[in-house]
Amino acid sequence: DARVTQTPRHKVTEMGQEVTMRCQPILGHNTVFWYRQTMMQGLELLAYFRNRAPLDDSGMPKDRFSAEMPDATLATLKIQPSEPRDSAVYFCASGPRTGDGYTFGSGTRLTVV
Amino acid sequence: DQQVKQNSPSLSVQEGRISILNCDYTNSMFDYFLWYKKYPAEGPTFLISISSIKDKNEDGRFTVFLNKSAKHLSLHIVPSQPGDSAVYFCAASDSGTYKYIFGTGTRLKVLA
Repeated sequence: DARVTQTPRHKVTEMGQEVTMRCQPILGHNTVFWYRQTMMQGLELLAYFRNRAPLDDSGMPKDRFSAEMPDATLATLKIQPSEPRDSAVYFCASGPRTGDGYTFGSGTRLTVV
Repeated sequence: DQQVKQNSPSLSVQEGRISILNCDYTNSMFDYFLWYKKYPAEGPTFLISISSIKDKNEDGRFTVFLNKSAKHLSLHIVPSQPGDSAVYFCAASDSGTYKYIFGTGTRLKVLA
């Protein structure tokens, strides 16, 4: 089965440190999403890309978060500097343009202490 | 502003009975809806979808109903099985962007 691969699976870091999360979308999928899961907000959309171009990153705190797709096989989400309130599970998902069948990765559990 | 709402954080149902999970949305531009299921320590997995041209879509034990005038959709699971115990998310988007907005999820527990 084709999978969306996210690394690392777990990350514990100190407040103020830079955090980079990586995602390898399924080959051939041209749409990539970053979501954050929190207890209060459920799955929040942070950013999404189509054909590597950022279409919407309005869900991200702009001063500290950035998302990029340096190539079709890699999407990154960076937090600098990290804060305790960023602690959450971050999911990447990829899919075809038409919407059905977006596949999620297993997530990166981030803890900022 | 929560555009997609799942007002029941949790639901318990006896095995073999029907589970009904509800979802409300506020954006009238939404015309495509998905349900995802999530087990602990895993990513959500796609379950079933419906577009606004339909009011019902069925896939085995899972049926999604859409009431556009009420901006409400529901997922019915019949019969419920213990393996259905998971968190269920509904998601909505407009078909122009396929930018999915998710609800907060409902934790379903099916009791054996």
